[in-house]
Amino acid sequence: ILNVEQSPQSLHVQEGDSTNFTCSFPSSNFYALHWYRWETAKSPEALFVMTLNGDEKKKGRISATLNTKEGYSYLYIKGSQPEDSATYLCAFTNNAGNMLTFGGGTRLMVKP
Amino acid sequence: NAGVTQTPKFQVLKTGQSMTLQCAQDMNHEYMSWYRQDPGMGLRLIHYSVGAGITDQGEVPNGYNVSRSTTEDFPLRLLSAAPSQTSVYFCASSPGQGIGNTEAFFGQGTRLTVV
Repeated sequence: ILNVEQSPQSLHVQEGDSTNFTCSFPSSNFYALHWYRWETAKSPEALFVMTLNGDEKKKGRISATLNTKEGYSYLYIKGSQPEDSATYLCAFTNNAGNMLTFGGGTRLMVKP
Repeated sequence: NAGVTQTPKFQVLKTGQSMTLQCAQDMNHEYMSWYRQDPGMGLRLIHYSVGAGITDQGEVPNGYNVSRSTTEDFPLRLLSAAPSQTSVYFCASSPGQGIGNTEAFFGQGTRLTVV
């Protein structure tokens, strides 16, 4: 069983704050790292799929970086808004490429 | 666009009953999978399929069966429900024959309670 860890487990910020959270994963046999956004009562939706060491991806105010050599990825949210409140999941797949292993998620709550 | 459709959305079962959770996708995706989500544990893979006629076990397969007779459908069967199978179940699909570098598309989930 592959170990994917996310920290912190939960985070409360004020509207307008910038924030970031971490996903750590096995650095051997790396293939891809996924980030998903999961709002309450909805289904997870993909934010990024990253495959190359040093990858940086951006979607609006959300961005992510990837370090495959040391086994971590950061997700950044600039100027958090209440609608950013959700659980953010990362998931790792190794070079067999058939199974996504998810971390436990970071639950973000943005107060107006 | 329907995407990934799961039925039912909610279900209560008695211990020992059987049922099938349905999952259908209309995106012609080869890869389909089932996850369960339990508090504090994230999503855990139950079974997956890389194409019609091919299935394999994930991290937590015990107590569940799957089949993939068509590209569109990937039902999950509980043969004899147990309280430990109380969970929220998600079906997901992805283009290509793996989940490696392509995003997963999730259904809306099925909340199952076994009493």
